[in-house]
Amino acid sequence: NAGVTQTPKFQVLKTGQSMTLQCAQDMNHNSMYWYRQDPGMGLRLIYYSASEGTTDKGEVPNGYNVSRLNKREFSLRLESAAPSQTSVYFCASSEPRTANTGELFFGEGSRLTVL
Amino acid sequence: TQLLEQSPQFLSIQEGENLTVYCNSSSVFSSLQWYRQEPGEGPVLLVTVVTGGEVKKLKRLTFQFGDARKDSSLHITAAQPGDTGLYLCAGREDSNYQLIWGAGTKLIIKP
Repeated sequence: NAGVTQTPKFQVLKTGQSMTLQCAQDMNHNSMYWYRQDPGMGLRLIYYSASEGTTDKGEVPNGYNVSRLNKREFSLRLESAAPSQTSVYFCASSEPRTANTGELFFGEGSRLTVL
Repeated sequence: TQLLEQSPQFLSIQEGENLTVYCNSSSVFSSLQWYRQEPGEGPVLLVTVVTGGEVKKLKRLTFQFGDARKDSSLHITAAQPGDTGLYLCAGREDSNYQLIWGAGTKLIIKP
């Protein structure tokens, strides 16, 4: 079972460069998420997609854009990378049986360094 | 933004010892989840608690949801090196679908 697959796993960018993080899930989940994880700050939601065709801003959306390409795929784009975007990025998906108890399934993370 | 505070932030103990990790907030949560994250991997769900006062056990791990549904604890009995990892709590408010995450407790169990 692949679950949630993220690419690339590692990336180094120069300030001002652009890149797209790819995410795909094979669990037929409706909801997908992009988080960033920084030391001492836990997981912060960048964008989410409650269902195919919809996207919404999370807690820290500035500097990012997303595309829900289809039910399986949810990409995160950095148009002009900044050093403050150095982080570990996680994609996740969920299919909550109820709104309260939905488990998030995470990818392995993409480690991005912006010089 | 509502806060979910975890304590301690870091804990290093010897194999065989017991420990408790706390997750506290001023908000009331409809449910609270605990995840464990190992280096180089994404978080993995350990348990979800939904009822005030609920206690769930997962082998040597005991999870408790506070009566007022504002706090939770994770107790590990006879810790083993395999318990090493980052433990994250995450709560859902009644009025907000999205999860609110704690900053995590980094746990190291020394053989």
